[in-house]
Formats: sequence, C-alpha cells, structure tokens
Amino acid sequence: AQKITQTQPGMFVQEKEAVTLDCTYDTSDPSYGLFWYKQPSSGEMIFLIYQGSYDQQNATEGRYSLNFQKARKSANLVISASQLGDSAMYFCAMREGRGGSYIPTFGRGTSLIVHP
Amino acid sequence: DAGVIQSPRHEVTEMGQEVTLRCKPISGHDYLFWYRQTMMRGLELLIYFNNNVPIDDSGMPEDRFSAKMPNASFSTLKIQPSEPRDSAVYFCASSLGVVRTNEKLFFGSGTQLSVL
Repeated sequence: AQKITQTQPGMFVQEKEAVTLDCTYDTSDPSYGLFWYKQPSSGEMIFLIYQGSYDQQNATEGRYSLNFQKARKSANLVISASQLGDSAMYFCAMREGRGGSYIPTFGRGTSLIVHP
Repeated sequence: DAGVIQSPRHEVTEMGQEVTLRCKPISGHDYLFWYRQTMMRGLELLIYFNNNVPIDDSGMPEDRFSAKMPNASFSTLKIQPSEPRDSAVYFCASSLGVVRTNEKLFFGSGTQLSVL
C-alpha cells in the first residue's frame, strides 16, 4: 500500500495566486515527520518545509505553509503568491519509525506549472 | 561543504553492459540512501547504509543491482547486466541520522541513466 499519496499528477496556477498541493499519508506510528521537497527542471531536490507529528501549529517557511490535518492524515502544501520559478515537481515525504529508525519514503510527486 | 556529489551526471549504455554510479555523501553524515526515480513509481528507496554498513536493501529490485560503501566518503550502485527498464534517475542522499523525525535529506544532483 502507498504510504504517501499525492493524487494530483499535475496542477496549473496563475502567477501571484495561491495553490494547494495535496498529500495524504498512512502510518500507525504516533511519531513521524512530514516533508515537502521541490524538484525544478534542473533535477536537484530542494527541501522546502517540515512538520512533526507532535507539532501543534502548522509549519510555515516564507511563502510555503503546510496545512497539517492529523486526524485526516493529510499534509497539504500551500504556496502563496505563486511565482514563475515555482514551476517544478513537488514531492511529499514521510519519516516514520522502522525498527527504531526514521526512514524517508516519498510520494509520486505533483507537477506544478505557474502561468504568467 | 560541497554537498552530496554524484557521478556521472548522465550515463548512456547498451543493454547487458555494467553500469556503476558513484556518490560522495556530506562529510559527517552517517546515513546514505540510494533512490530511483521513474515516472511510474516516483522516488523509490533502494538501499540505505549506516556508517558504511548496509541496513536495508529490501528495495533493491533484483540481484542485478548491488551497492557498496567501502568508506564513509564513497558509495557505488552497480547494475550488471543493465536492462532498458533500469532507465531512470538515480539519486544518492545523505543525512546526519535517522533517530529524529526532522532529519533532512540532502540530495545529490542525480544520475540520469539510459539503457538502450
């Protein structure tokens, strides 16, 4: 079964508008971490934001925020005021316990295209 | 630090040939991960090492795949013999540890492998 599900293979947004990228996860571990990474066309993977399972508040990093709904097991990424440079693949990832270690697994990604 | 360094950046080979991908993790990082990225399956964890020791290779698809880490600053992923379905981007990543949920992964630039 998929541990991380990203249901949107592709998203389009107008420049300066906000966009939400969906991510749901599956774990029975009470302690876990959720991450979002950005992969531009150049190929590198760039860390964007982190949310811990015990964090009471949603994580924010500049224009990025994570809408964390623990009961629904969702960790959606919200990008405010989209820029052309935000066009990229976005991956949701989770570190959950595996024999005492927290090993990262990734979703299949969402391709975001920002239109001028 | 220069970050995680992978080589080659691109590799084109013919079916049946041996392919060796190389990785230098960030100095001081105890964990090294090999991932494979394809359109169909996203980012899959192939194997990871702790202090040069392979911990979990359950993601290695077949016996044709092997990985080694002879020292703390070097790892290889070898495919022998290669097949067209091995064509993918292979990422190496490292992290300080895995005992906390917030450990970030630092990725290399990836190796784009094409097997003809």
